[in-house]
Amino acid sequence: DIQMTQSPSSLSASVGDRVTITCRASQPISSYLNWYQQKPGKAPNLLIYAISSLQSGVPSRFSGSGSGTDFTLTISSLQPEDFATYYCQQSYSAPRTFGQGTKVEIK
Amino acid sequence: EVQLVESGGGLVQPGRSLRLSCAASGFTFDDYAMHWVRQTPEKGLEWVSGISWNSISIVYADSVKGRFTISRDNAKNSLYLQMNSLRPEDTAFYYCASYNDLLRAFHIWGQGTMVTVSS
Repeated sequence: DIQMTQSPSSLSASVGDRVTITCRASQPISSYLNWYQQKPGKAPNLLIYAISSLQSGVPSRFSGSGSGTDFTLTISSLQPEDFATYYCQQSYSAPRTFGQGTKVEIK
Repeated sequence: EVQLVESGGGLVQPGRSLRLSCAASGFTFDDYAMHWVRQTPEKGLEWVSGISWNSISIVYADSVKGRFTISRDNAKNSLYLQMNSLRPEDTAFYYCASYNDLLRAFHIWGQGTMVTVSS
């Protein structure tokens, strides 16, 4: 199975801050990397697919980048509604695996 | 409104069975493969099982293979997960999710249902 490792596990940031979350795959996964946002008591919600494509309705302050095994989710200017947990997920091979999550908290 | 609604969770003793259901609405259910994903604080998000739109292709995580059975009824816009021989480690929040082959991502998620396996 492909292991997905996110860092950091949690971070504290203020509204307006630029936030970067990294995700590393245990082997190359081509462009098959997705990002999800999960708020407390809610299901995960698809933010970005194929490394950098924004899902419909996702604000442009979210962006994704990377290649091979190393990927990044960036929030350019953190908004109050962005405080949540973020997960990366690979769709390169079965089983589809997720990172352990990065919790973004209010500083 | 695009929606997936799970049901059937609850408290069950080890070794017993439970059947989860997932009702889809607001989109063309049989356009998509469907999956079950579970979540615990300890292990995070864990893919459990998936089924193709026509039920021809079915896959399971090793941790549930031989105990869980996924199925779907496209006429009823419904997905199911029959869980047998339940173990305490199956305790989790279970989500159904539709998989968009074009995006290669889980693009619609249900709100989840809690399964607790305990004596």
